[in-house]
Amino acid sequence: GENVEQHPSTLSVQEGDSAVIKCTYSDSASNYFPWYKQELGKRPQLIIDIRSNVGEKKDQRIAVTLNKTAKHFSLHITETQPEDSAVYFCAASKVGGGSYIPTFGRGTSLIVHP
Amino acid sequence: DTAVSQTPKYLVTQMGNDKSIKCEQNLGHDTMYWYKQDSKKFLKIMFSYNNKELIINETVPNRFSPKSPDKAHLNLHINSLELGDSAVYFCASSQVPSGIAEQYFGPGTRLTVT
Repeated sequence: GENVEQHPSTLSVQEGDSAVIKCTYSDSASNYFPWYKQELGKRPQLIIDIRSNVGEKKDQRIAVTLNKTAKHFSLHITETQPEDSAVYFCAASKVGGGSYIPTFGRGTSLIVHP
Repeated sequence: DTAVSQTPKYLVTQMGNDKSIKCEQNLGHDTMYWYKQDSKKFLKIMFSYNNKELIINETVPNRFSPKSPDKAHLNLHINSLELGDSAVYFCASSQVPSGIAEQYFGPGTRLTVT
């Protein structure tokens, strides 16, 4: 089965700095890589995703890069703000055949200091 | 107009009791899931239902059983509750055949076993 490693487990930055969270996966058949943000006491929500036919995707201050050869993908947040403070989860899975079973990383707690 | 709803939001009960958590989605999605999030924030998938068929059952105790009366509902029954069952349980849904693999999570149910 798929195995997803996520680093770091905690990331502390100053407001305005950039933050990078990295994930690696094991199953070369995985083709869908979402990132979820979970604020304290709230539900996880999708912030950005990328499919294996794309190397990079950007949405305002957040971007995700994918290296299929190395089997790793990263989340980049620029110009961090205190409201970016949350736990971020990466996931990897194979979408197809009518089923979708994501494997999540263990999460990164991002703390943005004002 | 809540997409994925769960009841109850909080559940406090004693060891040995049997309890249920209900989940409903109004998105028309065909796949629903149950996740357990422990105190370390790790999101572990427990069950996935697609068109009323169980398509994954991770290594969870058989004290846990999912019940899906129809495509819009996936309830979680837990028998003989143990202290280690204390966690936040999230229901989620997705619509894979349409190529939309985003997981829509419910608000979570915080279960405390005393």
